[in-house]
Amino acid sequence: AQSVAQPEDQVNVAEGNPLTVKCTYSVSGNPYLFWYVQYPNRGLQFLLKYITGDNLVKGSYGFEAEFNKSQTSFHLKKPSALVSDSALYFCAVRLRSNDYKLSFGAGTTVTVRA
Amino acid sequence: SQTIHQWPATLVQPVGSPLSLECTVEGTSNPNLYWYRQAAGRGLQLLFYSVGIGQISSEVPQNLSASRPQDRQFILSSKKLLLSDSGFYLCAWSIRGQGVTRSGYTFGSGTRLTVV
Repeated sequence: AQSVAQPEDQVNVAEGNPLTVKCTYSVSGNPYLFWYVQYPNRGLQFLLKYITGDNLVKGSYGFEAEFNKSQTSFHLKKPSALVSDSALYFCAVRLRSNDYKLSFGAGTTVTVRA
Repeated sequence: SQTIHQWPATLVQPVGSPLSLECTVEGTSNPNLYWYRQAAGRGLQLLFYSVGIGQISSEVPQNLSASRPQDRQFILSSKKLLLSDSGFYLCAWSIRGQGVTRSGYTFGSGTRLTVV
């Protein structure tokens, strides 16, 4: 069964410092990977995705993620975090053969302090 | 442009009462539709998905049901709510055919359900 794990429940960083949110996946075959962000009492917003091609994917709000097949990881990164980046972040994975469903990680709460 | 509407935003219901949450999509045809639940402090759980009118797939056995009476309408229902049904319910859609491979999901703003 496909799965995705976010090993950290919470990440705390100071504004201006680099931000990393970790995600590892376990799928058979080539994964399609996604990152979403959720602000309090709101729906999820798409940040970026990896389907194929360049391992470094750039997305919205200055975020990027690196696909690492050997480590089965897809960590989300931002070089300089903002207080407004404080939110809940979800990693998701989908198998190419099943075009309907995304499997989400448990989420990581990011807090950026001023 | 495509938009997704979900209502109500918040709902407080007594145990044993019925439930009806509605989701509609505008600006697209033949979408795949999904209902997710987010329990407090936990991740997202896929409840139902639909690839067409009247076609509903259930991911987990539960006290809920879903229906798709029109192409762009997806309804989540319950005949008798349980305390464990409390949570944040999210509707989402994706483009049929391309599925999630190109568009990913677009989520509604969610409904906060509290069963008391």
